Amino acid sequence: RKEVEQDPGPFNVPEGATVAFNCTYSNSASQSFFWYRQDCRKEPKLLMSVYSSGNEDGRFTAQLNRASQYISLLIRDSKLSDSATYLCVVNRRGYSTLTFGKGTMLLVSP
Amino acid sequence: EPEVTQTPSHQVTQMGQEVILRCVPISNHLYFYWYRQILGQKVEFLVSFYNNEISEKSEIFDDQFSVERPDGSNFTLKIRSTKLEDSAMYFCASSVDRGRGYGYTFGSGTRLTVV
Repeated sequence: RKEVEQDPGPFNVPEGATVAFNCTYSNSASQSFFWYRQDCRKEPKLLMSVYSSGNEDGRFTAQLNRASQYISLLIRDSKLSDSATYLCVVNRRGYSTLTFGKGTMLLVSP
Repeated sequence: EPEVTQTPSHQVTQMGQEVILRCVPISNHLYFYWYRQILGQKVEFLVSFYNNEISEKSEIFDDQFSVERPDGSNFTLKIRSTKLEDSAMYFCASSVDRGRGYGYTFGSGTRLTVV
């Protein structure tokens, strides 16, 4: 089983749509969770950290379910500039390394 | 905003040749990392470095790879004898705080093409 699994995508949505990404992780020792964004052939950039109580940053809402080992990202009112690949990333307790999912591509069209 | 700087942005090398990828981490960061991403694949951890020694490494980071911090500012990744499958984007990252995965900054990457 892959350590971090994401919807394969791509997701094609019109501007203004709401889109949700799902992610599962296999290692129960995972302690920190993140969503990164990666534009084509660019470096990953932190979008937001994911906390147990759920958290929101503008149009973006992240949720974590530790019991199900499941993470989600909701994007409301999609913009053209949201087009990118969204990476689910986890960190394992006691380690400084990040484990990445393969990512889900989002294409927002006019 | 502080940046992690990587050079070169693109390197083409012949199979069997040695390459050195260079990175300048953010100045007050203490933990340094190399990740790689083969085209179309996920970002994979290679190695982390702290206090002038390797703190963690993955299975990918075999004897063909080495890292060093030669002068207190640069952080380098050396591949001794490149293979075709080493072709990838290599990202350097640094963080101020080890553990828990917070505070990472990634460089813009070096695209390595082995021919």
